[in-house]
Amino acid sequence: GEDVEQSLFLSVREGDSSVINCTYTDSSSTYLYWYKQEPGAGLQLLTYIFSNMDMKQDQRLTVLLNKKDKHLSLRIADTQTGDSAIYFCAESRGSGGGADGLTFGKGTHLIIQP
Amino acid sequence: DSGVTQTPKHLITATGQRVTLRCSPRSGDLSVYWYQQSLDQGLQFLIQYYNGEERAKGNILERFSAQQFPDLHSELNLSSLELGDSALYFCASSVGYGRDEQFFGPGTRLTVL
Repeated sequence: GEDVEQSLFLSVREGDSSVINCTYTDSSSTYLYWYKQEPGAGLQLLTYIFSNMDMKQDQRLTVLLNKKDKHLSLRIADTQTGDSAIYFCAESRGSGGGADGLTFGKGTHLIIQP
Repeated sequence: DSGVTQTPKHLITATGQRVTLRCSPRSGDLSVYWYQQSLDQGLQFLIQYYNGEERAKGNILERFSAQQFPDLHSELNLSSLELGDSALYFCASSVGYGRDEQFFGPGTRLTVL
């Protein structure tokens, strides 16, 4: 199966860390992505991780990958109001035959409380 | 701005009609992908073209078709439209295929009445 699952909502206080979780089912997935979608806008690639990595850090963003549990998380440090958006987890096997298209989760709405 | 452009931004049409959505990839990108985003189905991959040839198919209906032209722009044709086809249609592009990063356009919002 190719389902990618995320919780629909996450509410955090401004300045706290946000942790958005994702589970995927396809063990052959080679690349896992986090995209951000702001209201009325397209998708912006935030970061990605190869399946042979456990962690990737990029400024305020930290991605953790647990291959055994097929669990991916995105941590946003010092969450700001500008981080309010929908965050999508996506996977790609990157081997053709339909696998070039990304499989997305339903997205997590990140709500920032002042 | 991702460098991917899509026209039109909004489209309102009636059931049974046919529409064409257009996408221009980033300069230098050879792959174009089409995705559909709807409330009930979420974001779904429809189809991919690479350098003018169809490379991969996802959940694309038979009423839908696409092509990529020699100048690398792509068109998605939706025919015999139904109410359930109302959605945001995104185009993305990448340099090649497989593991290459996909850059998304702003989308075309289609409303079928």
